[in-house]
Amino acid sequence: DAMVIQNPRYQVTQFGKPVTLSCSQTLNHNVMYWYQQKSSQAPKLLFHYYDKDFNNEADTPDNFQSRRPNTSFCFLDIRSPGLGDAAMYLCATSRVMASGRVSNEQFFGPGTRLTVL
Amino acid sequence: AQSVTQLDSQVPVFEEAPVELRCNYSSSVSVYLFWYVQYPNQGLQLLLKYLSGSTLVKGINGFEAEFNKSQTSFHLRKPSVHISDTAEYFCAVSSSNFGNEKLTFGTGTRLTIIP
Repeated sequence: DAMVIQNPRYQVTQFGKPVTLSCSQTLNHNVMYWYQQKSSQAPKLLFHYYDKDFNNEADTPDNFQSRRPNTSFCFLDIRSPGLGDAAMYLCATSRVMASGRVSNEQFFGPGTRLTVL
Repeated sequence: AQSVTQLDSQVPVFEEAPVELRCNYSSSVSVYLFWYVQYPNQGLQLLLKYLSGSTLVKGINGFEAEFNKSQTSFHLRKPSVHISDTAEYFCAVSSSNFGNEKLTFGTGTRLTIIP
């Protein structure tokens, strides 16, 4: 089945120690998104890639970076995790339709729960 | 810009009873509307979506929602809930304008089914 995969599902890191979360997709979608979801809150968009074009949200801290080496993979790097960065991180994808428009429907992975000690 | 309001943060419902989860949105342009479900420690799964056409939308797991433009609402309903429906439900809105397809989520409603 075509899907969005996130590894690891659970990640523990230490305060200030860089950590990388990964996302891969077999849907061949052009657009990939990273969301941060804190406990009992809505998912918050951090940034997205349209193919290789990176689009950062205005309020995403510099501590968060992303890489997309190819269509299938996208990484979230947290350079110096703080206690406030503990959250569920969700990866999502969407396709570009024949019209050139990005589909509003997004497909989500299972998420990575990050714990910062 | 769009915004979504889910007034009920928690909704307890007895098994086999009907349920309605409320969602209101605000937007200066035409919108598309979505309901996603999130089971514990899982990602979001699309329940249903309204893009155009019939205002009554049917989704998976017996859920349906009705788009009401005059009341700017998109309430989610199910006539008879099951224990397995226990989850967090998120309403989301997206602009129908080209180039502005990002989703804006509500804060979620936690549905708890009481046996």
